[in-house]
Amino acid sequence: DTGVSQDPRHKITKRGQNVTFRCDPISEHNRLYWYRQTLGQGPEFLTYFQNEAQLEKSRLLSDRFSAERPKGSFSTLEIQRTEQGDSAMYLCASSLFDINDNSPLHFGNGTRLTVT
Amino acid sequence: GQNIDQPTEMTATEGAIVQINCTYQTSGFNGLFWYQQHAGEAPTFLSYNVLDGLEEKGRFSSFLSRSKGYSYLLLKELQMKDSASYLCAVKNRGSTLGRLYFGRGTQLTVWP
Repeated sequence: DTGVSQDPRHKITKRGQNVTFRCDPISEHNRLYWYRQTLGQGPEFLTYFQNEAQLEKSRLLSDRFSAERPKGSFSTLEIQRTEQGDSAMYLCASSLFDINDNSPLHFGNGTRLTVT
Repeated sequence: GQNIDQPTEMTATEGAIVQINCTYQTSGFNGLFWYQQHAGEAPTFLSYNVLDGLEEKGRFSSFLSRSKGYSYLLLKELQMKDSASYLCAVKNRGSTLGRLYFGRGTQLTVWP
């Protein structure tokens, strides 16, 4: 078990460019989540997958954001036409279905995006 | 909506005990998590409470009172490596599984 891995760790881009991040969850986990965290704040929920199905998206996820998990394993998060307000740490997490609904989330180290 | 409140910063001395409080107002409460996050790293799971009472795990304990909308994380025998941000997160009944609502985090600094 190598944990949740995210790539890249850091991304600097110019305003208006598109960026894509990748997340590889813990292999046996069927649930995958994307959160965003800005300095001095807790993580904010963006979206959630169970296997390959995207089951919920936050209102924070504007139409410039899209996430996929095509084979129910790794996931990608794409931001189109980036804005300076998109600068944040993007965290991926995974978990395994638990009938008691108390399975903790396992987070990756995140991708830090800076939009200049 | 969710309202989760925890102190922004706390300081303590190595070897001491510190209590980090978290209050919440939410509809359909269904569990509270505590996470530890070192600067630049992933949040790591510490504890989970869904029933009233104290859960103990080594040097860390977490307490929940559902009627008061209150939880605390107790850290004993503090070590320098405990300097980190501690995040309180609430889960609601009926919300997406794994959709946690996080507080802003409490930055704990442990001094020698």
